[in-house]
Parts: sequence; C-alpha cells; structure tokens
Amino acid sequence: DQQVKQNSPSLSVQEGRISILNCDYTNSMFDYFLWYKKYPAEGPTFLISISSIKDKNEDGRFTVFLNKSAKHLSLHIVPSQPGDSAVYFCAASYSGGSNYKLTFGKGTLLTVNP
Amino acid sequence: EPEVTQTPSHQVTQMGQEVILRCVPISNHLYFYWYRQILGQKVEFLVSFYNNEISEKSEIFDDQFSVERPDGSNFTLKIRSTKLEDSAMYFCASSLGTGASPLHFGNGTRLTVT
Repeated sequence: DQQVKQNSPSLSVQEGRISILNCDYTNSMFDYFLWYKKYPAEGPTFLISISSIKDKNEDGRFTVFLNKSAKHLSLHIVPSQPGDSAVYFCAASYSGGSNYKLTFGKGTLLTVNP
Repeated sequence: EPEVTQTPSHQVTQMGQEVILRCVPISNHLYFYWYRQILGQKVEFLVSFYNNEISEKSEIFDDQFSVERPDGSNFTLKIRSTKLEDSAMYFCASSLGTGASPLHFGNGTRLTVT
C-alpha cells in the first residue's frame, strides 16, 4: 500500500540553505496533509499542515506547498538548522466521515550539516 | 505544552503473553488512536476511538487486539497473545477533533516479543 510516497530516503543540506522534502500521493480522496518530524526515541511531532483548498501554508521557517493536479506536496525549510536533523514524515487523510486516520509515507532522513 | 504520555517506554514479553500498553492523551482531546511502526517500516494506523467505542480499525487490528478507556484519562491497548511479529514501536495519539485537526503523538512504547 503506497498511497503516500516519499521517494527520497535521505537528504543532506548545509546549514543556512534550503531543505526541500517531497511527497507524492495517489489517493485523490485525501484532502488534508501534514508533515511530522521525528527524532530517535521520540514520537512524531506535528510540524505543519495544509488543507486541499489551499496551495501554500507557511509557519516561520516551514512552508508546505500542495500541487493537487500533480498529487504532490513539498516541505521547505529555510534557513535549515542543525537542530532540524530528523526524519520527516508526510501524512495524508480524508477528513470526511466521523473520524480520520493518517496514512504515512516512509519518511526522509534530513541531515543538516554545520 | 500539553503532551501525550505513554508507559512503559520499553516492554519485553514472551510470545503468547498478554501485554497492556498505556497512554494518557491530552486532556481536552476527544479522539484517540494507536499506531505502530515496525523497525524500518512505515508508521501504520491501528485503531481510532471516540465516544467510548472504536470508530475505525485497520486489518492489522485483529481479535488479539483491544482498546479501552477505563477512566477519564487513560487509554490502553491490549494484545492478548503476543506474537514475534508484534514487536514494534507503538504510538498513542490524540486529537481535538477530526478533519483539520492534527494528531499529537506520544513518545511510544517499544514492544519486544521474544
């Protein structure tokens, strides 16, 4: 089941530069998308989300872009900091109905080098 | 900031034994979830719980699994007869609502079945 795909298992960037993490999805019913960050021995921490009615959402250094026609979203981190080094998970859900569950991608390990 | 807490952080059990994983969701949240991550694999949805009943469960969540909210604060996952393949990180999560309401995860319980 590959409804949410993160095709890059890892990404390495220099401190101060932009990090771009990509995510593709196949289920056109998904209408809410989230990015989570995960450090070792911790649970996923919510970073930023976007509803399908928008194409961009920004929160400080983090911006998520959604291209519905391409079924693609990306997370931009600028400027990148060493503390951003973590695994980043893309997740999607269908908000209709009485509950929702997240479908996760496999994650991308971001390493920000000082 | 309120957080989801999980105990124990690590549980080792023998195959065939029962285990109970415990979670205290964020106090004003109404929706509760269990996810798991087998080493090297995706974070997978197990079950969602609302209004004292299961609202959705995945195919993973078979008759060996059960959830309970025994009081106003705890949310538990029971595995009746553990199998080797149940070894994973189990994450509890909660959310205020559904739709555009992010899940907040605990730090997980690492379950090792020997």
